[in-house]
Amino acid sequence: NAGVTQTPKFRVLKTGQSMTLLCAQDMNHEYMYWYRQDPGMGLRLIHYSVGEGTTAKGEVPDGYNVSRLKKQNFLLGLESAAPSQTSVYFCASSTANYGYTFGSGTRLTVV
Amino acid sequence: AQRVTQPEKLLSVFKGAPVELKCNYSYSGSPELFWYVQYSRQRLQLLLRHISRESIKGFTADLNKGETSFHLKKPFAQEEDSAMYYCALQTGANNLFFGTGTRLTVIP
Repeated sequence: NAGVTQTPKFRVLKTGQSMTLLCAQDMNHEYMYWYRQDPGMGLRLIHYSVGEGTTAKGEVPDGYNVSRLKKQNFLLGLESAAPSQTSVYFCASSTANYGYTFGSGTRLTVV
Repeated sequence: AQRVTQPEKLLSVFKGAPVELKCNYSYSGSPELFWYVQYSRQRLQLLLRHISRESIKGFTADLNKGETSFHLKKPFAQEEDSAMYYCALQTGANNLFFGTGTRLTVIP
């Protein structure tokens, strides 16, 4: 049982490049989330999904897009990366009645 | 609006000493509170949730609605407790708000 798996684990992008982060969960959770973790700011919610085919904006959605075409996958896209998007990105999933299960994170550096 | 405050960014204690990580929240509804822990180079893990009223790894946390606090406590700190600790407030099935975290260092 892998839980929540994120790929890639590390990535370096040049300003203006695009990329997609993949999150996969095998727990049949309805809800999935993307957070970014920055020093001194904790975790901030970027986007989330309450079910297949649905997405919604979180606290810091600008510069990101997401898609949830399959229940088990939640993709986070950066269309034109900026240095301000250098961060550690965490995916999580949950049911309605229990705490979140997190992935191991993706460390993204934009130069 | 909901908010979670962890006033200490860094906390150092000696091994065997008691430790308390502070968490205060602001929320007009009925809060559901959690503590998550992130050990070095590992993913965030759920440590405990207030409705369980359980003790995990010797840690406990009591919800004090009068003081709007959910402080995390352990009577005798161990070196393996060194980690980043996040307090989190859940206001709905898909609304989990995190504090800014406290990095705990247990000195041998």
